[in-house]
Amino acid sequence: AQSVTQLDSQVPVFEEAPVELRCNYSSSVSVYLFWYVQYPNQGLQLLLKYLSGSTLVKGINGFEAEFNKSQTSFHLRKPSVHISDTAEYFCAVSARYSGAGSYQLTFGKGTKLSVIP
Amino acid sequence: GAGVSQSPSNKVTEKGKDVELRCDPISGHTALYWYRQSLGQGLEFLIYFQGNSAPDKSGLPSDRFSAERTGGSVSTLTIQRTQQEDSAVYLCASSLLTSGTNEQFFGPGTRLTVL
Repeated sequence: AQSVTQLDSQVPVFEEAPVELRCNYSSSVSVYLFWYVQYPNQGLQLLLKYLSGSTLVKGINGFEAEFNKSQTSFHLRKPSVHISDTAEYFCAVSARYSGAGSYQLTFGKGTKLSVIP
Repeated sequence: GAGVSQSPSNKVTEKGKDVELRCDPISGHTALYWYRQSLGQGLEFLIYFQGNSAPDKSGLPSDRFSAERTGGSVSTLTIQRTQQEDSAVYLCASSLLTSGTNEQFFGPGTRLTVL
């Protein structure tokens, strides 16, 4: 089984400042890692994913995340945020194998990013 | 192309009534998922359909919840005798692959309010 912890439920940040949203996971097997974004009154949209290879993953809207296996972390970063980045961000994992339960995404509880003008 | 669609977008019902929520997955996606998003609780897995296989119902919170997927496409989530604690946003997702890469595409959700 997997679990995901998003350490901050809310993160306020000024416009054009950098931001880091933290995500740690726990799993007995290797995992794939995802970040989703949810804008108000909308569904979830995939920001980026780590499957294999380079541990630094770049996604849409200027976001990037770094997989750190030793620290079991997958923190999301953006060097300069915009007002339009105000949304809720979810970290998720799925097991890196084919078989029963592998299809399940386990989500963290989300981090609400508020960008202040 | 068209994404995942859900209807209705909002549903207000009285305690004890039954409700049906509908999901139209992306055409060709064989896997379909239902999640519940409650305030402050993140996303909770409810049920998973894959092709003609028996669905994984392990996430359904009680026997008042059931779901069907007809013809391998449209799915309906039914909640019988609704309770106030059922109030939440119900999200549907679909995916093309059922390997662990599992990139799921989400619909906009149905916001259910039980009075």
